[in-house]
Amino acid sequence: GAGVSQTPSNKVTEKGKYVELRCDPISGHTALYWYRQSLGQGPEFLIYFQGTGAADDSGLPNDRFFAVRPEGSVSTLKIQRTERGDSAVYLCASSLKGTLSSGANVLTFGAGSRLTVL
Amino acid sequence: AQTVTQSQPEMSVQEAETVTLSCTYDTSESDYYLFWYKQPPSRQMILVIRQEAYKQQNATENRFSVNFQKAAKSFSLKISDSQLGDAAMYFCAYRWNTGNQFYFGTGTSLTVIP
Repeated sequence: GAGVSQTPSNKVTEKGKYVELRCDPISGHTALYWYRQSLGQGPEFLIYFQGTGAADDSGLPNDRFFAVRPEGSVSTLKIQRTERGDSAVYLCASSLKGTLSSGANVLTFGAGSRLTVL
Repeated sequence: AQTVTQSQPEMSVQEAETVTLSCTYDTSESDYYLFWYKQPPSRQMILVIRQEAYKQQNATENRFSVNFQKAAKSFSLKISDSQLGDAAMYFCAYRWNTGNQFYFGTGTSLTVIP
């Protein structure tokens, strides 16, 4: 697609429920990132995919969080047993690999999914 | 560890005037990238300007320019001829050349006064 698409735009759930957040990156972008942005804070790294594999998942806060990208395009962030502290905007971004001067290594973000856990 | 600090939580500027947003970062690397992103109320982060650390020349994009001081680890953003549409949160970000993660500051909320 022309841009990074994230669905749902807003999600309200109850504590303890399971949620999935979807990201559809720019076509041809091999790198995909998930970030979490809490109120009044900057984006915080969660996980990075290069192709289908999670190349760096060091930002996932605990084992309730999991992300997949089975075909190297669309990614799903999965949160089990949601807690009120998981409430945040979850941002997805994609980029090309290459040199900065070529336009690569620049993140293009989606509009985010706002998760509210009651 | 890489950290990015934005010491101005809020800034304001009169329309058509110039404003400078501050950013400092901490790294032991010599080859890295620096970015300024804008986040309007729509939530979508938009790239404003980028700088490669090995380039001494400051990047410029129309009304936006940076003052990159590598030795001081400072990367400020100057917005000239401010417009109402410039009102947003601005985030400074760092990425090591061969690393994966982009590190973001806590942001500066810019208000443009008509």
